[in-house]
Amino acid sequence: QKEVEQDPGPLSVPEGAIVSLNCTYSNSAFQYFMWYRQYSRKGPELLMYTYSSGNKEDGRFTAQVDKSSKYISLFIRDSQPSDSATYLCAMSAGLSSNTGKLIFGQGTTLQVKP
Amino acid sequence: DTGVSQNPRHKITKRGQNVTFRCDPISEHNRLYWYRQTLGQGPEFLTYFQNEAQLEKSRLLSDRFSAERPKGSFSTLEIQRTEQGDSAMYLCASNEAGPVYEQYFGPGTRLTVT
Repeated sequence: QKEVEQDPGPLSVPEGAIVSLNCTYSNSAFQYFMWYRQYSRKGPELLMYTYSSGNKEDGRFTAQVDKSSKYISLFIRDSQPSDSATYLCAMSAGLSSNTGKLIFGQGTTLQVKP
Repeated sequence: DTGVSQNPRHKITKRGQNVTFRCDPISEHNRLYWYRQTLGQGPEFLTYFQNEAQLEKSRLLSDRFSAERPKGSFSTLEIQRTEQGDSAMYLCASNEAGPVYEQYFGPGTRLTVT
């Protein structure tokens, strides 16, 4: 079993829809949670960063972390065709891991249709 | 441009040849990471540097792989005697010292071994 599970999709939604992307994890040492967006053949771009449980909002994006359920989510409001990309969740054990290396999910491919 | 840069962006090589990739991190970042990403998967951690010291290597980093960061600035990743299974995107990321866990990625080097 992978440490981080993410449904690869693809997920196809109409423009303007609310998108929900999710990851589950098994390592209770994870404390830092990130969402990256990756366009085809490009490097991952950091979207959101949260520490421990709770919500964080940035424009049309909201990240939620529920450590008790080992479940994280990214919501995209008023989705746009330019949001079409692969979304990767990533986690770190922080000080429990000397390096702070990231463990990634498989990525979910999102297509927003005009 | 003050982001992470990687060169070359794309490398095609024949099986058995040696290849070397370069990463230039964000200038004030003293932590540097290498990841490998295959099609349809999330990035997987390969190795980590703090300044010039290589502090962790993944089991994925076989004896054919070597990474250096001689002056604590740029880093190189060399693959000797390339195999077709080495075909992947090689990503470099960096971040600052201290309890900072979000990482900033470069555009990647896409390696194709024929």
